Amino acid sequence: NAGVMQNPRHLVRRRGQEARLRCSPMKGHSHVYWYRQLPEEGLKFMVYLQKENIIDESGMPKERFSAEFPKEGPSILRIQQVVRGDSAAYFCASSPPAGLTGNTIYFGEGSWLTVV
Amino acid sequence: GQQLNQSPQSMFIQEGEDVSMNCTSSSIFNTWLWYKQDPGEGPVLLIALYKAGELTSNGRLTAQFGITRKDSFLNISASIPSDVGIYFCAGQLIQGAQKLVFGQGTRLTINP
Repeated sequence: NAGVMQNPRHLVRRRGQEARLRCSPMKGHSHVYWYRQLPEEGLKFMVYLQKENIIDESGMPKERFSAEFPKEGPSILRIQQVVRGDSAAYFCASSPPAGLTGNTIYFGEGSWLTVV
Repeated sequence: GQQLNQSPQSMFIQEGEDVSMNCTSSSIFNTWLWYKQDPGEGPVLLIALYKAGELTSNGRLTAQFGITRKDSFLNISASIPSDVGIYFCAGQLIQGAQKLVFGQGTRLTINP
């Protein structure tokens, strides 16, 4: 999937625990997106980040969810006090800086969160 | 908010047949993308469309960006077993780094 690296690929958490999902964008990409996919559904936008900035978090639940993309290191999606409804596949995607001709969004292989 | 309606939801075809699926929207998109997703994997980009009316091919795949900017279709010719999977359309409001709105997906099953 074009070099977007996500880890862990699979994560099991008990209700009430915290989940941290990491994403390293493709080389040269400065924009990171997080999407959530429930079983048998399409992907739903959560948040769009650039280095050290949250650009659009209109798809993020208001509570328990947060995302960051620090100056150094991967982007992290953090889910606090997980509940069973958080069980889903979480996909990270990246794209180059806006304005480049033909730039598109490439996805990682996903992190599958299971809350038990 | 923006919504994409993708159809059909599922298709059952014989190997060798052609496939056609489409997406429509109530909103205008500046970019249309088609992705394929295999079980347990992330979406893989198949075709990107940037201009209204644009017709683009990638091997046996052909996609078009509708003139109204509110629809797109994807055709697969002479289907083979590895075409099995879920196909998603996605629209992008601003060409460049902006969020995607996804369709619900078309699940393609091929009988050998």
